[in-house]
Amino acid sequence: GQNIDQPTEMTATEGAIVQINCTYQTSGFNGLFWYQQHAGEAPTFLSYNVLDGLEEKGRFSSFLSRSKGYSYLLLKELQMKDSASYLCAVKDSNYQLIWGAGTKLIIKP
Amino acid sequence: GAVVSQHPSWVICKSGTSVKIECRSLDFQATTMFWYRQFPKQSLMLMATSNEGSKATYEQGVEKDKFLINHASLTLSTLTVTSAHPEDSSFYICSAREPLAGETDTQYFGPGTRLTVL
Repeated sequence: GQNIDQPTEMTATEGAIVQINCTYQTSGFNGLFWYQQHAGEAPTFLSYNVLDGLEEKGRFSSFLSRSKGYSYLLLKELQMKDSASYLCAVKDSNYQLIWGAGTKLIIKP
Repeated sequence: GAVVSQHPSWVICKSGTSVKIECRSLDFQATTMFWYRQFPKQSLMLMATSNEGSKATYEQGVEKDKFLINHASLTLSTLTVTSAHPEDSSFYICSAREPLAGETDTQYFGPGTRLTVL
């Protein structure tokens, strides 16, 4: 079966750095997405990785290792507004998006 | 980035009635749109893939006669929840895939519709 694993919940301090991991087992791989979802709102696109390595976009970076079936989202200089759920999604061989359950990130002052 | 709108943003209806939710891509043409449902504190669940000009593809366990999907144009898809019941109360979110030259297609989400069935 296809599976995306993420921690259910993480807590971090304002101004700090946090890394949210995602491991996947899918039938084929055609890219990995990270989305941010605030409570009661729809997800918003953060990043896309299809090749191994690190993609940096401002305070957010996303890393991919296809051989390990592993990705992480790195958030720097955390702000209170970063409190949200972070969803990892993988596009499989049929170009279907397989969604993780999301990681709820709690930022404390 | 691409903008997707959804209407209404929330709706309360009586059990047994039907509710229509619209999803529009505002600044691009979307040949494919997706409908998701999300229950509180749970992840997105794909209900169906809507292709312009053809029948929608439903995920396993989703009743196509209950959740009617129409994708009549490149910018509009509608989801009609027929004979709604309290267990259909959920957050319904649509997304549209924007195929871009040189990039893979990313899904952009509408703001969601919160349906409450009394």
